[in-house]
Amino acid sequence: DVKVTQSSRYLVKRTGEKVFLECVQDMDHENMFWYRQDPGLGLRLIYFSYDVKMKEKGDIPEGYSVSREKKERFSLILESASTNQTSMYLCASSYNQGGTEAFFGQGTRLTVV
Amino acid sequence: AQSVSQHNHHVILSEAASLELGCNYSYGGTVNLFWYVQYPGQHLQLLLKYFSGDPLVKGIKGFEAEFIKSKFSFNLRKPSVQWSDTAEYFCAVNVRNTDKLIFGTGTRLQVFP
Repeated sequence: DVKVTQSSRYLVKRTGEKVFLECVQDMDHENMFWYRQDPGLGLRLIYFSYDVKMKEKGDIPEGYSVSREKKERFSLILESASTNQTSMYLCASSYNQGGTEAFFGQGTRLTVV
Repeated sequence: AQSVSQHNHHVILSEAASLELGCNYSYGGTVNLFWYVQYPGQHLQLLLKYFSGDPLVKGIKGFEAEFIKSKFSFNLRKPSVQWSDTAEYFCAVNVRNTDKLIFGTGTRLQVFP
């Protein structure tokens, strides 16, 4: 079974803190994605990576950065957390073959207070 | 702007009713199309996908979707819903030769016994 594992299910952080969300996949997938999921807005792509050290901005990259030092791990970084970044964050991975199925983690519910 | 639209935000049905959820996209190139489902408390999982060939694709649990290229649509259907189909449904599009996977805003389906 493909596994995409996000390091935390729930996180509470203070405004201004630097926050790291970690994601690990065990299927040797080239592509990895970070989305945020908000009611009524669906899944919005923050960043994705198609190879180690490679990244591309998604639709809402402002306030976020990413790191992919190893193929299996993709980190999302909130440089200075703000209350409007309170959300559910979803990590996904897929093969680099233009449109193969993406597999998702369980999500991290982040609350910024 | 390129986008994926799901016009039904919240659908309420009784068991055995027929279901059709709309999905339209605005990408001009060749696309791969997906429907994902998120059951309460669970991670997103693939329901069905279209890459090429027969525009009517069948997925798990009796779901099917039809790709109509001229209408830029990929609507999801099920002839008779069950209470266990209560979930949120997301349409997603991958533009061929890119790795980006873009989601719609989702449709929340509630099925009452």
